[in-house]
Amino acid sequence: DTAVSQTPKYLVTQMGNDKSIKCEQNLGHDTMYWYKQDSKKFLKIMFSYNNKELIINETVPNRFSPKSPDKAHLNLHINSLELGDSAVYFCASSQDGGGLEDRVGEQYFGPGTRLTVT
Amino acid sequence: AQTVTQSQPEMSVQEAETVTLSCTYDTSESDYYLFWYKQPPSRQMILVIRQEAYKQQNATENRFSVNFQKAAKSFSLKISDSQLGDAAMYFCAYRSPWGAQKLVFGQGTRLTINP
Repeated sequence: DTAVSQTPKYLVTQMGNDKSIKCEQNLGHDTMYWYKQDSKKFLKIMFSYNNKELIINETVPNRFSPKSPDKAHLNLHINSLELGDSAVYFCASSQDGGGLEDRVGEQYFGPGTRLTVT
Repeated sequence: AQTVTQSQPEMSVQEAETVTLSCTYDTSESDYYLFWYKQPPSRQMILVIRQEAYKQQNATENRFSVNFQKAAKSFSLKISDSQLGDAAMYFCAYRSPWGAQKLVFGQGTRLTINP
């Protein structure tokens, strides 16, 4: 009964390849996110989808393309992988209301996908 | 844009002692959420505690408590009776309250527990 799951957990690939990471949440949340954690452990938002609609797109190269087929799934496709893309990618989800309600806005994270580009 | 700063890259504490991790943030908003997340070596991000800015009372979850100073924009985490399982990276995070909003994270503090 995992709340937020990601596949794969580890991904090793060569420069120039195209790869995808999948995320699924069974919490019934309406918002999903992708975060990137770099080698210095710094976490930064990449994208956010609310009910399948892209609402946050932070200065991410257009080699990265998120896709949300339904509100329980958010996938990340990366084209032409570069060495600098090596990182841990986290998917998260939350239930967002209109204000400061209890538990609203808490983000639940998946286990992360460690991507290594060689 | 909001920013979050954790000025202690590393901290260590003796088992059973108390330790405080610091966090400051910058925002022009009057309402917001603040969080502490724990990331053990397994890399799973675990929510430790949350604080709503409109609440004056400091949040508490078992051995974890916060000292929220809104005017000073400070949000420190106190861990009492430290246990070996508390060893992890700890991240402070800020979130605006309205709609679907991103978390803005600090740089993290690595906490070591000495037996």
